[in-house]
Amino acid sequence: AQSVTQLDSQVPVFEEAPVELRCNYSSSVSVYLFWYVQYPNQGLQLLLKYLSGSTLVKGINGFEAEFNKSQTSFHLRKPSVHISDTAEYFCAVSENSGNTPLVFGKGTRLSVIA
Amino acid sequence: GAVVSQHPSRVICKSGTSVKIECRSLDFQATTMFWYRQFPKKSLMLMATSNEGSKATYEQGVEKDKFLINHASLTLSTLTVTSAHPEDSSFYICSARAPGPSGNTIYFGEGSWLTVV
Repeated sequence: AQSVTQLDSQVPVFEEAPVELRCNYSSSVSVYLFWYVQYPNQGLQLLLKYLSGSTLVKGINGFEAEFNKSQTSFHLRKPSVHISDTAEYFCAVSENSGNTPLVFGKGTRLSVIA
Repeated sequence: GAVVSQHPSRVICKSGTSVKIECRSLDFQATTMFWYRQFPKKSLMLMATSNEGSKATYEQGVEKDKFLINHASLTLSTLTVTSAHPEDSSFYICSARAPGPSGNTIYFGEGSWLTVV
């Protein structure tokens, strides 16, 4: 079984500053990794995903994440945040075979301060 | 890209009644869909795996008689909350895995806010 740990429940950051949201996972098999964003009172939107290949993955809205197999991490980064990035961010993992569901971390609340 | 649609987006029902939530894959066929529940300020918890043409697989602790799942076609799964109570109030969201070039990406519906009064 897989599990996901998002160590930071809340991350406040000033506008235009860089941010990193941490995600670590555990799994006995190879995995796919995802980051989703949830704006207030809305559903989930895919930010980016790692399936295979290059370990640096670029997503929407200027976000990127790097898959580090040795450290079992998939941290999300953005070099300069905007007020509109304020949202809940979820890291998720699934097995890379079969039709398996996602396992989510508990989420990190990113608050961008003007 | 692949689209998953959920309906209704918001529903209020009286305690003791039942409510049905639909999840449709609009541009691909999904043999498997997943239903999640999100409590306020919490993460998403997998409730069940919906399999087309067969019974759903429920996660431990989820009452299958309360949360009825039907996957009647390759593009539609429904979740019926039976005899709803206020503690069933939550955000319910479905997802489906898009095949082919999308590379095993799971797409989510917009979610359904259920309020039981």
